[in-house]
Amino acid sequence: EAQVTQNPRYLITVTGKKLTVTCSQNMNHEYMSWYRQDPGLGLRQIYYSMNVEVTDKGDVPEGYKVSRKEKRNFPLILESPSPNQTSLYFCASSQAGAEKLFFGSGTQLSVL
Amino acid sequence: KQEVTQIPAALSVPEGENLVLNCSFTDSAIYNLQWFRQDPGKGLTSLLLIQSSQREQTSGRLNASLDKSSGRSTLYIAASQPGDSATYLCAVRPSYGQNFVFGPGTRLSVLP
Repeated sequence: EAQVTQNPRYLITVTGKKLTVTCSQNMNHEYMSWYRQDPGLGLRQIYYSMNVEVTDKGDVPEGYKVSRKEKRNFPLILESPSPNQTSLYFCASSQAGAEKLFFGSGTQLSVL
Repeated sequence: KQEVTQIPAALSVPEGENLVLNCSFTDSAIYNLQWFRQDPGKGLTSLLLIQSSQREQTSGRLNASLDKSSGRSTLYIAASQPGDSATYLCAVRPSYGQNFVFGPGTRLSVLP
């Protein structure tokens, strides 16, 4: 089954404790991206990647890191999480960045 | 900077009604526009993708139109069903970048 898999589904952590949210797709998509969704602010793009070893900032990249060492994986790293990073995070992928976007089920992150 | 708005923010209709959801964007230089459905606690599912050169796309009871010059798209849902209850979001991909811009969504409730 074609899908984008995110883990974990829920995560509660404390300020300053490094964490990684994993994202994997099995559709051989070139394009992958991370979004956060906040009430009243909608979906905002954090980072995106057009292909392996090619990443770029979205609208709200501060406090986040990404890497794209393999085509199928695009982890989101929070080196020192803060409470304002409490949010619902989505990973998405598409072919060539211009086609139908496939989303993961989301990761609800709470930073205390 | 591209901005996307959606009207109405929420809509409640009785089962069987035909309805229209609206999406507006400020910059007509877009590559494509997508309509998504989001169920509570879940990821987004792409419903329809309209390329900038197209006027409309249809899938089952859904029809999406695009008027690039006026910066508008509509999603028409025929013979609505309770299972259509969800939040519907539109997103545009500007022709000058890779950053998909999402609208805030319309929360639809179809009452049995």
